Amino acid sequence: DAGVTQSPTHLIKTRGQHVTLRCSPISGHKSVSWYQQVLGQGPQFIFQYYEKEERGRGNFPDRFSARQFPNYSSELNVNALLLGDSALYLCASSSTFITTGTNYGYTFGSGTRLTVV
Amino acid sequence: AQSVTQLGSHVSVSEGALVLLRCNYSSSVPPYLFWYVQYPNQGLQLLLKYTSAATLVKGINGFEAEFKKSETSFHLTKPSAHMSDAAEYFCAASGSARQLTFGSGTQLTVLP
Repeated sequence: DAGVTQSPTHLIKTRGQHVTLRCSPISGHKSVSWYQQVLGQGPQFIFQYYEKEERGRGNFPDRFSARQFPNYSSELNVNALLLGDSALYLCASSSTFITTGTNYGYTFGSGTRLTVV
Repeated sequence: AQSVTQLGSHVSVSEGALVLLRCNYSSSVPPYLFWYVQYPNQGLQLLLKYTSAATLVKGINGFEAEFKKSETSFHLTKPSAHMSDAAEYFCAASGSARQLTFGSGTQLTVLP
């Protein structure tokens, strides 16, 4: 079975540009979350979607937006890129949004490395 | 709000020695707790998780962690380090908000 897939794996953009990152969750998983990991730090929560609705948003500016499609794949969009947006962007999928004990957990993709120059 | 503290940004051990990586969480309600490992230029791989079923949790690659409510801790251990264990380790917590809150990470170096 395929895991969480993210595309592209690497991306170089110029300041002020727009970028779209894509994520396909594990088959059957309905929840997708996005995290930003700046070099040398732990991942920071950006968004969570479940059943195509936004269920959580981290402390990120409105330049960051996301959506989830009927097939549960997701896009993360970042407008007006800044140098500080350079990071590894991680997507995580989960089978459920509701805590269900031992089934609760997240599986991460390998990430998209975004470099803003 | 949840917070996760990992004591020691860098830990070095000799091959075959005990590995101990420390994690403390801050929450009024015991959260779900996770340990992830990250190899260079890769995503996060789940080592183990605590979901209130048992306080001693066994994970992959010989790692285990013990949930101690009185100490608000979830330290990760492995009896004997292997060279392949060299990586960055992240402790994370998830509560009612469902999102994961990560610690700042511990870089584990295994010396021959």
